[in-house]
Amino acid sequence: LAKTTQPISMDSYEGQEVNITCSHNNIATNDYITWYQQFPSQGPRFIIQGYKTKVTNEVASLFIPADRKSSTLSLPRVSLSDTAVYYCLVGGNNAGNMLTFGGGTRLMVKP
Amino acid sequence: EPEVTQTPSHQVTQMGQEVILRCVPISNHLYFYWYRQILGQKVEFLVSFYNNEISEKSEIFDDQFSVERPDGSNFTLKIRSTKLEDSAMYFCASRGGYATYEQYFGPGTRLTVT
Repeated sequence: LAKTTQPISMDSYEGQEVNITCSHNNIATNDYITWYQQFPSQGPRFIIQGYKTKVTNEVASLFIPADRKSSTLSLPRVSLSDTAVYYCLVGGNNAGNMLTFGGGTRLMVKP
Repeated sequence: EPEVTQTPSHQVTQMGQEVILRCVPISNHLYFYWYRQILGQKVEFLVSFYNNEISEKSEIFDDQFSVERPDGSNFTLKIRSTKLEDSAMYFCASRGGYATYEQYFGPGTRLTVT
């Protein structure tokens, strides 16, 4: 499994765009990049997944450069309720599809 | 929106006792998982279950652990003889099918072993 590295914590203010970058230098050809969000005392929640270039949904955008050795989760105009831990996961969409979580990035959104 | 449910929300047990954590995955989902998260630590994979059998398990999932899907709706995790270090939040998750990748997590059961 590819190892991921992301900042331990980030601070932001309401209304700002937040970009969280994840490094995954050893990503394999069949690996996807997936981001989950976790609020305190809750289960992780899927945000977005991508393989290359850019993916956008109603919650976030995911930017993946051509070499796929990193990815950036972009949260537009964050609010206080976006305060959470964000996890970058890299792995294949195999039948078992076990998720391997790292330490994540603790995002604190301030008023 | 369909969701994964877990019961109980909090379970307190004494060391050496057996506990069963219950989960109701999203209807029509085919893949089921258990994860745990010790307070302040990472979410850790325990086991995945498909077609009524374990498909993958981690080193944590030793002989003290077992999973079962006793009927068409419930998915249970049993810990035969709990240890202090089993105290954690246990999350159940389910996934729709092979072509889907999103795992839906339940709210968790906080297990406290005293």
